[in-house]
Amino acid sequence: GQNIDQPTEMTATEGAIVQINCTYQTSGFNGLFWYQQHAGEAPTFLSYNVLDGLEEKGRFSSFLSRSKGYSYLLLKELQMKDSASYLCAVRDSNYQLIWGAGTKLIIKP
Amino acid sequence: ETGVTQTPRHLVMGMTNKKSLKCEQHLGHNAMYWYKQSAKKPLELMFVYNFKEQTENNSVPSRFSPECPNSSHLFLHLHTLQPEDSALYLCASSLDPALQGDENTEAFFGQGTRLTVV
Repeated sequence: GQNIDQPTEMTATEGAIVQINCTYQTSGFNGLFWYQQHAGEAPTFLSYNVLDGLEEKGRFSSFLSRSKGYSYLLLKELQMKDSASYLCAVRDSNYQLIWGAGTKLIIKP
Repeated sequence: ETGVTQTPRHLVMGMTNKKSLKCEQHLGHNAMYWYKQSAKKPLELMFVYNFKEQTENNSVPSRFSPECPNSSHLFLHLHTLQPEDSALYLCASSLDPALQGDENTEAFFGQGTRLTVV
């Protein structure tokens, strides 16, 4: 079967750096997405990786290793507004998105 | 604002009621999706429409009935639901990744409808 694993919950301190890992086993691979979802709101797109390596977007970076079935989302200079759930999703060979259950990130002052 | 609008935001319905959820996008996307989001579970894809044609129906019970009259509007008709159907129902749209290739095919989500079945 297809599976996406990510930690259920993480806690970090304001101003620090946090890395959220995602491992996947899917039928084929056509890209990996990270989304942010604040409580009661819509998921919003953060990043997309289809080739191995690091993609940087301001305070957020996402890394992909296709051979290891592994990605991480790196958040730097954490702010209180970064408290949210972070969803990892992989597009499979049928171009459907397979989703992880999300990682709830709690930022403490 | 994501460009995808869902109504209503909240809905409480009895098990014998019939109701409909509405989704609208004006992003020029050609694919639209219904997802179910339950607490601490992955998003569950329910239905996919590409160019108004239903291309996926992931074993969803017949008490959920989708309708896509045009590429900008999507409905989910609900009848005789069960309490376990209580969840957040999310609509999303995108460019069809099978046609577009890799770039710019991320999904844009609506705010969702919080459904409670009593």
